[in-house]
Amino acid sequence: GAGVSQSPSNKVTEKGKDVELRCDPISGHTALYWYRQSLGQGLEFLIYFQGNSAPDKSGLPSDRFSAERTGGSVSTLTIQRTQQEDSAVYLCASSLWAVEAFFGQGTRLTVV
Amino acid sequence: AQTVTQSQPEMSVQEAETVTLSCTYDTSESNYYLFWYKQPPSRQMILVIRQEAYKQQNATENRFSVNFQKAAKSFSLKISDSQLGDTAMYFCAFMKPGGSNYKLTFGKGTLLTVNP
Repeated sequence: GAGVSQSPSNKVTEKGKDVELRCDPISGHTALYWYRQSLGQGLEFLIYFQGNSAPDKSGLPSDRFSAERTGGSVSTLTIQRTQQEDSAVYLCASSLWAVEAFFGQGTRLTVV
Repeated sequence: AQTVTQSQPEMSVQEAETVTLSCTYDTSESNYYLFWYKQPPSRQMILVIRQEAYKQQNATENRFSVNFQKAAKSFSLKISDSQLGDTAMYFCAFMKPGGSNYKLTFGKGTLLTVNP
């Protein structure tokens, strides 16, 4: 596609449920990032994938969060047993040369 | 660890006027990149301008320019001839290239409103 695509655009879930957020990066981009944007906060790094290398998971806030990237393309961020503090906009970005990142429109997650 | 500080949570400017958004950062690195991203209500982060730390010349992109003061660790964004479409959140970001992660460290943003 022409840009980074994220789905769903909005997601409302009940506390305790699991959710999956999807990111389709720009075709051919080897690097993929997930960030979280909480209300009134900047963007917080979550996880980074680069090619076939082991991902950098240093930003994941708890073991309820996990992410995978299949075939070096599509990525899924999974949040298990969601809590209200997980409510945020989750942004995905991809890059080819690692320096310039292109962002998707994000998924707004609301945990009720 | 790097930190990025944007001291102006909100700013407003009249259409066609000039506005400057402030950003300071803290790092012990000598080689890095600095960015300004724009986030309109659509939520999509859009790269406005990029500066390589090894370049002394300030980056410019049409109506957008930066004042990069490496010694002072300051990286302000100037928007000239402001337009209504410039209304958005603006985030300053830092990246240390190389190694295993090119992650961006963001400030908390400045909400810019351009008034007609």
